[in-house]
Amino acid sequence: GQNIDQPTEMTATEGAIVQINCTYQTSGFNGLFWYQQHAGEAPTFLSYNVLDGLEEKGRFSSFLSRSKGYSYLLLKELQMKDSASYLCAVKGGSYIPTFGRGTSLIVHP
Amino acid sequence: EAQVTQNPRYLITVTGKKLTVTCSQNMNHEYMSWYRQDPGLGLRQIYYSMNVEVTDKGDVPEGYKVSRKEKRNFPLILESPSPNQTSLYFCASSLRSGVGNIQYFGAGTRLSVL
Repeated sequence: GQNIDQPTEMTATEGAIVQINCTYQTSGFNGLFWYQQHAGEAPTFLSYNVLDGLEEKGRFSSFLSRSKGYSYLLLKELQMKDSASYLCAVKGGSYIPTFGRGTSLIVHP
Repeated sequence: EAQVTQNPRYLITVTGKKLTVTCSQNMNHEYMSWYRQDPGLGLRQIYYSMNVEVTDKGDVPEGYKVSRKEKRNFPLILESPSPNQTSLYFCASSLRSGVGNIQYFGAGTRLSVL
């Protein structure tokens, strides 16, 4: 089976930087995804890592260490609209993605 | 416009009354799946389909059925809904199930079973 852990909730200040961690245990590994989900809406794709290292996309970056079973999503220059849930999803050996329970990020002024 | 369309968006029903939630995608994707999302539990996969006529159980399949007769459609069927199936449901699709394939989600169906 697969086990994915993320913090339940985080708070941060507008303009700051926040790092959301995700640790996982899987049988095989075929990629890790981060999705953003605003309340009551559909998840939307943010980033994808399959090799170790940092992937940067504007204000958002994602890092992966396969040997440690660890990823983080880094959000810079936080805006109020970044208040949302952030979902970590891992594809194991079966190529079927498993989602973590999500991290609810609250950005306050 | 590339999209995944679910209907209905909201549904209130009673225990035991069969219902179907439709899902359609216009991207010629092979892989489709259904999730339910409950507070504190995250997204849990109900069923998935690798291609036409190929379906398999996810983590929480009890009480649900699916079919994949055409590539674009993947309906979710609740033969005899019960209150514990009250949830927010999402359909998703991706080109394939392999490495790097991003999932695109429908807008969700909020189901209440009384």
